Amino acid sequence: QSVLTQPPSVSGAPGQRVTISCIGSSSNIGAGYDVHWYQQLPGTAPKLLISGNNNRPSGVPDRFSGSKSGTSASLAITGLQAEDEADYYCQSYDSSLSGLFGGGTKVTVL
Amino acid sequence: QVQLVQSGAEVKKPGASVKVSCKASGYAFTTYGIIWVRQAPGQGLEWMGWISPYNGRTNYAQKLQGRVSMTTDTSTNTAYMDLRSLRSDDTAMYYCARGNSGYDYVAEYWGQGTLVTVSS
Repeated sequence: QSVLTQPPSVSGAPGQRVTISCIGSSSNIGAGYDVHWYQQLPGTAPKLLISGNNNRPSGVPDRFSGSKSGTSASLAITGLQAEDEADYYCQSYDSSLSGLFGGGTKVTVL
Repeated sequence: QVQLVQSGAEVKKPGASVKVSCKASGYAFTTYGIIWVRQAPGQGLEWMGWISPYNGRTNYAQKLQGRVSMTTDTSTNTAYMDLRSLRSDDTAMYYCARGNSGYDYVAEYWGQGTLVTVSS
């Protein structure tokens, strides 16, 4: 069981908006550490999608956005596309566990 | 462009050690940290640790303390991850990644991965 809790799966139809939650605690997200998000397409290395809660690296579509509040964070995908079908991981820092990832969420486009 | 090229797949017996290399190019090697992440088959990502090529400072995941060592060779822009006393649950894809300018532990550019299989 991961210290950062994500739903195992979410799904949506093309064009819809989906959100993925990442629930932490007072020793990581709640301690003020920022949250980052990665996308992993099948059979490939992960890709940094969002850094510092809501900053998109160059080349990441603005359909992806992040937010953070209290001990949790969220990734939103608006205008869902077939190519967004992938695994998504949140990441933060923990005062005792250093860098850590959430358990991952599989996004399925219906 | 930033590239990280890792060494090839390895098959090891339980109790052995493995050393994975990661050659970086396309940026100033000592400016960014190198992070190691692993992923067991069908499982999620696990952060293993971080090393600064600038001064050799490291930060290892608690779970791997005592079994893992990360080093860098600035003359060849290569990072290494050494894992000892291998067990079957160390079977995984091992990734190196370059750190992000704002966060040491965030992986911005990734290598292609090295599959390490531990089997008797």
